[in-house]
Amino acid sequence: QITLKESGPTLVKPTQTLTLTCTFSGFSFSTSGVGVSWIRQPPGKALEWLALIYWDNDKRYNPSLKSRLSITKDASKNQVVLALTDMDPLDSATYYCAHRHRFYDILDFWGQGTLVTVSS
Amino acid sequence: QPVLTQPPSSSASPGESVRLTCTLPSDINVRNWNIYWYQQKPGSPPRYLLYYLSDSDKDQGSGVPSRFSGSKDASTNTGILLISGLQSDDEADYYCMIWPSNEGVFGGGTKLTVL
Repeated sequence: QITLKESGPTLVKPTQTLTLTCTFSGFSFSTSGVGVSWIRQPPGKALEWLALIYWDNDKRYNPSLKSRLSITKDASKNQVVLALTDMDPLDSATYYCAHRHRFYDILDFWGQGTLVTVSS
Repeated sequence: QPVLTQPPSSSASPGESVRLTCTLPSDINVRNWNIYWYQQKPGSPPRYLLYYLSDSDKDQGSGVPSRFSGSKDASTNTGILLISGLQSDDEADYYCMIWPSNEGVFGGGTKLTVL
């Protein structure tokens, strides 16, 4: 059974860097094709894809946020970390991590999400 | 990144069928793309429903009823999620998604109301 859980601060100040951790179980990065993606959703708004890291450490980013985003993995801890610099109130959102199917671009298992508010 | 256009809202009565659309920009031919569909209910993460490329290349998410199916309309460059035999439990937000250059793009979502 695949599970994922997001963790990190619930409140950050403008200009700070947000660091979120996705801790997962039920799969590993030793499986070729596997990946973990981050997605966010501002309150009452649409989903926005942020980043993806593959089993082989290939990384993809949303072009509109690429300069501010960083995604890394620690396979030994079954964790993926997302960093978003220069936080702004518009970055307030629920942040989700999700498992990418090994063969297809399917986000088939999702964490429950963590709500991050940006405010001074 | 391309913009996927979904109508903000749709409604239908129980038992009816509803077509939710996802229109791709004109420089992206819908024929060539897997269209992924997700369902999201309030307070819950999205749930993968299905993807559709063609009748011979598609996938149904685990536990997703066959009432949910995908198709395309090449004349309007649109991906379609068809929900037949609508149930009250189908009331949710529905998002389409594609992956150009291995970078994900979501549509703006459609809020489906079951009357």
